[in-house]
Amino acid sequence: GENVEQHPSTLSVQEGDSAVIKCTYSDSASNYFPWYKQELGKRPQLIIDIRSNVGEKKDQRIAVTLNKTAKHFSLHITETQPEDSAVYFCAASRYGGSQGNLIFGKGTKLSVKP
Amino acid sequence: NAGVTQTPKFQVLKTGQSMTLQCAQDMNHNSMYWYRQDPGMGLRLIYYSASEGTTDKGEVPNGYNVSRLNKREFSLRLESAAPSQTSVYFCASRGSGFSEQYFGPGTRLTVT
Repeated sequence: GENVEQHPSTLSVQEGDSAVIKCTYSDSASNYFPWYKQELGKRPQLIIDIRSNVGEKKDQRIAVTLNKTAKHFSLHITETQPEDSAVYFCAASRYGGSQGNLIFGKGTKLSVKP
Repeated sequence: NAGVTQTPKFQVLKTGQSMTLQCAQDMNHNSMYWYRQDPGMGLRLIYYSASEGTTDKGEVPNGYNVSRLNKREFSLRLESAAPSQTSVYFCASRGSGFSEQYFGPGTRLTVT
């Protein structure tokens, strides 16, 4: 089955710097890659996602890139702000077939220092 | 729309006690899920229901049972709670295709 590895497990940056979180997946048939943000004590919430037919997607300060050949995808946050501090989870799934469940990475705790 | 709701928010059980966690969604989603979240372990799938009337095991099903009561509701039962089941439990639902998966607010369960 699918396995998702996420690095780093913790990341500390200064306000205004960029942050990059990387994930690798094992199932070459996976075709959907969402990123979730979880603030302390709250539920995970989707911040951006990408399908396998797209190499990059951007939404304001957040972008995701996908390299299908290498089976890895990354979350990029530019101009970080203290409110970006949270745990971020990547996930992978093979939607459209019988195995449509999201498999999550173990998370990255991002701390943005003012 | 309330989205995905869960009850209770907090629960303390003694070893061997049983309880049922309730989940409901009002988005007419076919698929529903139960996850547990432990420090450093991410979100691990316990059981899922791809449609009303079907349920399947996920990554960590031992010690749990589920019921898809109808399209809206999906419950998780612990028959004989163990300290290893101390965790935060999230219910989630998703529509069809490449649609977003929505999470409930979570239930924090402690088994002593």
